[in-house]
Amino acid sequence: GAGVSQSPSNKVTEKGKDVELRCDPISGHTALYWYRQRLGQGLEFLIYFQGNSAPDKSGLPSDRFSAERTGESVSTLTIQRTQQEDSAVYLCASSPAFKRGGANTGELFFGEGSRLTVL
Amino acid sequence: GNSVTQMEGPVTLSEEAFLTINCTYTATGYPSLFWYVQYPGEGLQLLLKATKADDKGSNKGFEATYRKETTSFHLEKGSVQVSDSAVYFCALSDSNYQLIWGAGTKLIIKP
Repeated sequence: GAGVSQSPSNKVTEKGKDVELRCDPISGHTALYWYRQRLGQGLEFLIYFQGNSAPDKSGLPSDRFSAERTGESVSTLTIQRTQQEDSAVYLCASSPAFKRGGANTGELFFGEGSRLTVL
Repeated sequence: GNSVTQMEGPVTLSEEAFLTINCTYTATGYPSLFWYVQYPGEGLQLLLKATKADDKGSNKGFEATYRKETTSFHLEKGSVQVSDSAVYFCALSDSNYQLIWGAGTKLIIKP
């Protein structure tokens, strides 16, 4: 399809296990975001990739969280030694190139999210 | 820091009722303002946006006006339909690439 694709859509894991979430952005979109959405809450920024620039990792909540992106394509978010508080929906979004120095008037295109449940 | 506050839900209305979902913000400078919508089982999508004071964003019968004097961006629709049932998020962008999000408001429209 032409939209942002995320997998798995649902993941149930045991506390202490590692999980990997995948995001396939829209082709040609250089910017990619990961967000976390806990039940009934707003979106919490995790990490931002823009082309070949160093990613903004300022939103990652702990060193158990990491993310990678290969060029301008697929990204993976890895959570090591999962805890129950990691349970949430993890959303990925992509957008066309962002021009630094100007206000962000761009639109983000979201995937349907990966729902993670840590038992 | 920058923040967005929107009314708590759920908001329950009958079909053809008038809708207002309040959104206020705190920001330095002149942010752009957005409303995103999340329909059941679907991803978030942009509903409308406004990039400067007094701009009105509109789409699918929804409107919101960027009010700098009241730091507000309330979402309105004159006559809602069952298909408008969704979660609505207000957001702002600062001078960086970040979007600051409200907590979301769940809207339930009853036939």
